[in-house]
Order: sequence, then C-alpha cells, then structure tokens
Amino acid sequence: DQQVKQNSPSLSVQEGRISILNCDYTNSMFDYFLWYKKYPAEGPTFLISISSIKDKNEDGRFTVFLNKSAKHLSLHIVPSQPGDSAVYFCAARVYNQGGKLIFGQGTELSVKP
Amino acid sequence: DTAVSQTPKYLVTQMGNDKSIKCEQNLGHDTMYWYKQDSKKFLKIMFSYNNKELIINETVPNRFSPKSPDKAHLNLHINSLELGDSAVYFCASSQVTRADTQYFGPGTRLTVL
Repeated sequence: DQQVKQNSPSLSVQEGRISILNCDYTNSMFDYFLWYKKYPAEGPTFLISISSIKDKNEDGRFTVFLNKSAKHLSLHIVPSQPGDSAVYFCAARVYNQGGKLIFGQGTELSVKP
Repeated sequence: DTAVSQTPKYLVTQMGNDKSIKCEQNLGHDTMYWYKQDSKKFLKIMFSYNNKELIINETVPNRFSPKSPDKAHLNLHINSLELGDSAVYFCASSQVTRADTQYFGPGTRLTVL
C-alpha cells in the first residue's frame, strides 16, 4: 500500500518555463512533506520542505504548495533550467516516528534548452 | 569533504554469501538511516539509529543486521544473500531535531548472482 504517490514517471519542459511536479498522499499522520532531487549515481539531496500546518513554502526558484483537503502537494520550479534535469522524489515524514520518511516513486524531469 | 560516505560503491556477490556495507558521516549528526531502493525505484526505510540506539526497525528479514559502533558510523551486514536483495542501498543522516532534512550517501549498488 503506497502511502505517497507520484503518478507521473516523467515530465519534459522547455528551459525558462514552469515545471510542476505532483504528489498525492493517503496518510493523515504526516507532519512534514519534502522534496528531494536525485542525479544518476548519486544519493538524493534535500531540496525544500513544508510543514503540514502551512500551505506554501518558497525558496528561490522552488515553491512547494500543500493542499491538505485534497491530500496533494506540488513543487513548482520557475524558471526551469537544464541543470534541474533529475529525478524528483516527494517524501512525507511520519509524525512521532523518529524521522521515518515515506517516499514516492519519483518523477524524472527533463528540461530542454 | 564528503558528508555521508558509503563503501563499497558497487558490490557483486553470489547467493548465500555474507557481505557488509559501511557508512560514515562527518556532519556531527546524531541519527543515521539505511534505505533500500528496489528495481521499481521505491526508496524504503529499513533502519534508523539515534546515538547508537535502534529507533526504527521496519519489516526487514533478520538476515539484515545494522551495527552502529559510534554515532558517526552505521554499517549494514547481510547474511545469506538472496537474489531479491539486489538493490541500491542508501545511508543517510540527520539531527534528531531536524529529522525531516536527511543527508544521503551516494548509494551502494548490490548485485546478487
């Protein structure tokens, strides 16, 4: 039973445009949501997070939106750059379980020049 | 300076063998984790240790035994390797107060023949 789902395995965007990556979850016991970025042959790197009590968090070109009623979050990258091409994982932290993260299966973003 | 390092990067072995993967972090973090990324790319937590104490132990066969000699190291020993153990194993670390922000190692690709 996959509690965090990323239904789009891949996304292709033109350089300079907006990239929108989506994530859905089913468990109400998550207190933080996070996005990680992964290049081939490297480990995931933390990108941005949002507390479950917020609905938006922004860091430079990256903004995460949380819609609790829909159990949906999204990552917006504006403007997209070729260096953003990577696999993006959505993750959710389980409340009061010692940092346990549940990951989605990832979306591969390709930003074309 | 590498923040979270793992050795070896690649490991090819026969079924039935016993092998270990080592992980070290130089970030001064007090919590370390092991994740498994399977062929379908799902990243799943296996174990976590806080100050050398086991705090997360997911449903993992007891052939897998984590060992934390000190809070900068968390090694993973696997007995009687099976074909299904083939995966990429990632080590991660965090501060317990910021367990949402986990720093990952580069991964160890284990292939069991």
